[in-house]
Amino acid sequence: QSALTQPASVSGSPGQSITISCTGTSSDVGGYNYVSWYQQHPGKAPKLIIYEVSNRPSGVSNRFSGSKSGNTASLTISGLQAEDEADYFCSSYTTSSTLGVFGTGTKVTVL
Amino acid sequence: EVHLLESGGGLVQPGGSLRVSCAASGFTFNNYAMIWVRQAPGKGLEWVSGMSGSGGGTYQADSVKGRFTISRDYSKNTMYLQMNSLRAEDTAVYYCAKGHASYCSGGTCYLDYWGQGTLVTVSS
Repeated sequence: QSALTQPASVSGSPGQSITISCTGTSSDVGGYNYVSWYQQHPGKAPKLIIYEVSNRPSGVSNRFSGSKSGNTASLTISGLQAEDEADYFCSSYTTSSTLGVFGTGTKVTVL
Repeated sequence: EVHLLESGGGLVQPGGSLRVSCAASGFTFNNYAMIWVRQAPGKGLEWVSGMSGSGGGTYQADSVKGRFTISRDYSKNTMYLQMNSLRAEDTAVYYCAKGHASYCSGGTCYLDYWGQGTLVTVSS
């Protein structure tokens, strides 16, 4: 099972909005609403920020939002803040494995 | 409060074995699937192995099939990953994570809590 495709890096200025894409196939992202997103700061464990495409866990800022169109899921961070500088990974259900599949990861830089 | 604590990582020679553990607290252990995820240095995340809440279902990545075995001790609220025939490419931080549901086949679970990880280094 190949990893889902994400841009290696995305950057933005404080206050701006950025969007990270996560592209798969109809066997994973496109076929099911089991897409989740994780934020990982350097040296730290990943943290769930979006589940089932567009739902936010309790305690996660509403500046994070998720969506999906066709085989591509997206994570949007609005009102970018310095603390948002981290790596972001998507994950999806897949028919190709008994486990899920992660994206390649995107490094977000706040300019 | 949910808490996951991994232990047992270390340096092991190629071909050797190691068992890592994940002690869980703050939730009803047998109600939720538990998953191992690894991250090689400077790389992305990889689903490795998982077990359903009841223990009736196990999930393995192709990269570790036949070499890694997952288990759970419900009396100790602890999950284990027995790793045999280790290779250099198994070098990674191994995280344990809690699934949001009892079954996670195909990755239907999202991982709502994670431990801090334990580093496994395979090198001579």
